[in-house]
Amino acid sequence: NAGVTQTPKFQVLKTGQSMTLQCAQDMNHNSMYWYRQDPGMGLRLIYYSASEGTTDKGEVPNGYNVSRLNKREFSLRLESAAPSQTSVYFCASREAANYGYTFGSGTRLTVV
Amino acid sequence: RKEVEQDPGPFNVPEGATVAFNCTYSNSASQSFFWYRQDCRKEPKLLMSVYSSGNEDGRFTAQLNRASQYISLLIRDSKLSDSATYLCVVNPRWGNYQLIWGAGTKLIIKP
Repeated sequence: NAGVTQTPKFQVLKTGQSMTLQCAQDMNHNSMYWYRQDPGMGLRLIYYSASEGTTDKGEVPNGYNVSRLNKREFSLRLESAAPSQTSVYFCASREAANYGYTFGSGTRLTVV
Repeated sequence: RKEVEQDPGPFNVPEGATVAFNCTYSNSASQSFFWYRQDCRKEPKLLMSVYSSGNEDGRFTAQLNRASQYISLLIRDSKLSDSATYLCVVNPRWGNYQLIWGAGTKLIIKP
């Protein structure tokens, strides 16, 4: 089915470990996004890529890096995981700036 | 004041009833608005965009009140399957990539 695919679905990391969350979309969307969702809070934008070859910081970029590998793929890297990064991470894409998002199914990350 | 505020609920509503909830936003220049639905432990899914003239999609009606800076969602003839968290999303500038999300209103439909 067309959509946004995220891997892994679940991950437990120890403090200080690194990992990369993968995201791919097959809808030919230009823009892609990484959000985190914490209990009682709205989704917060970590990084986004308005188009292939560009990336920009969102509201909460500290501790993260991203790579827009090509039009389909947008990865999120945690270089040195901290317990404060325990969250649910969603990747999303959309056709243009004023359209709605299509989200991946999320990655539940726990940092101990 | 948060940029986008929603009553967290939960709203407990009997099946078949009509329920409405609002979302207020602080930036009067905000350009576009959306309602998303999120089921427990799932990703958000677009429910509907909110247009200035109001719009309806089956049992769902969304309205925008720019003067009072809020959007509303009305659900008629509620179904058990409507139980979810409803997220309000605001785009503060036309063409902007950084949308502002509310924390959501939880709706529970009871038989």
